[in-house]
Amino acid sequence: GQNIDQPTEMTATEGAIVQINCTYQTSGFNGLFWYQQHAGEAPTFLSYNVLDGLEEKGRFSSFLSRSKGYSYLLLKELQMKDSASYLCAALDSNYQLIWGAGTKLIIKP
Amino acid sequence: IAGITQAPTSQILAAGRRMTLRCTQDMRHNAMYWYRQDLGLGLRLIHYSNTAGTTGKGEVPDGYSVSRANTDDFPLTLASAVPSQTSVYFCASSDSSGGANEQFFGPGTRLTVL
Repeated sequence: GQNIDQPTEMTATEGAIVQINCTYQTSGFNGLFWYQQHAGEAPTFLSYNVLDGLEEKGRFSSFLSRSKGYSYLLLKELQMKDSASYLCAALDSNYQLIWGAGTKLIIKP
Repeated sequence: IAGITQAPTSQILAAGRRMTLRCTQDMRHNAMYWYRQDLGLGLRLIHYSNTAGTTGKGEVPDGYSVSRANTDDFPLTLASAVPSQTSVYFCASSDSSGGANEQFFGPGTRLTVL
């Protein structure tokens, strides 16, 4: 079956760095997405990786290892507004997104 | 309209009633999707449409139907609502169904079936 695993909840301190991990098992693989979702709002796109390695975009970076079925989202210089859920989603062989349940990130001052 | 809109924002519905959730996008995207989001679960695909005039079943299609008469609109109908359909429903669109195109989401409809 197809499966995405990510931690349910994480806590971090304002100004610090946090890494949110995601492992995936899918029928075929055409890339991995990260979305941010604030409480009561719609998901919004953060990043997409299809090749191994690190993609940096401002304070946010995303890493992919296809051989390990593993990705992480790295958030630097955390701000209170980064408190949100972070959704990992893998694109399978049919180009359908398989979604994880999301990681709720709590930022403390 | 800018982006993707959904209506209603929220709805309380008696079991057995018929309900249509509306979704409209103005980005001329070919592909559109309906998801439900339940606490502790990931987004689950209900139905999708790769282009106007075509639709397909997702992971959890039972009890739901869709139509895609034109590019902009993708309504989701619950023929006879049941309490297990209580959820937040998100409509999304992307430039095309194949390839790694990001999906743009509407604000969601919170549906409660009693």
